[in-house]
Amino acid sequence: GAGVSQSPSNKVTEKGKDVELRCDPISGHTALYWYRQSLGQGLEFLIYFQGNSAPDKSGLPSDRFSAERTGGSVSTLTIQRTQQEDSAVYLCASSLIEGGYNEQFFGPGTRLTVL
Amino acid sequence: AQSVTQLGSHVSVSEGALVLLRCNYSSSVPPYLFWYVQYPNQGLQLLLKYTSAATLVKGINGFEAEFKKSETSFHLTKPSAHMSDAAEYFCAVRSRGSGTYKYIFGTGTRLKVLA
Repeated sequence: GAGVSQSPSNKVTEKGKDVELRCDPISGHTALYWYRQSLGQGLEFLIYFQGNSAPDKSGLPSDRFSAERTGGSVSTLTIQRTQQEDSAVYLCASSLIEGGYNEQFFGPGTRLTVL
Repeated sequence: AQSVTQLGSHVSVSEGALVLLRCNYSSSVPPYLFWYVQYPNQGLQLLLKYTSAATLVKGINGFEAEFKKSETSFHLTKPSAHMSDAAEYFCAVRSRGSGTYKYIFGTGTRLKVLA
């Protein structure tokens, strides 16, 4: 596709349930990032994938959060046993890592609401 | 460790007035610097980026930013605000030459333009 896509656009779940959020990056982009945007909190880095390297998971807030990137393309962010504090907009971005300074292209986000 | 500080979570200016959004970074070496804008109910898009070619960087919609190493700053300016500039603005930094492609975002500044 022309841009980064994310699905679903909105997700409402009950506390304790697991959720999966999907990101389709721009074709050919080697780097993929997940962020969490909470009201008044800015963008919180969660994890990034770059090519075949081990992902940088340093931003994941707890072991309930995990992410995979299959075939160097699509990524899934999984949140297990969701809590109300997990409610936020989850943003995905991709980038073509060449030259060192390439910009990130962001998807529209998935708004997660945990009841 | 790198960090980004955006002074002022909310800034209000009159239409036609100067826009100044502040960003300071902390890094051992001058990093790559970015400004992103998020219009209401839209995803983030790149306004401009500093990559070391020139200290004064011009972006879209009449915005520009100046990299000042001595002040570790990368403030965003626009000579004359338009109503359409109302949005949230994020400053971001990425380290240079460290082998990581991790971006750190500031907490954002919400710009309000008064008629």
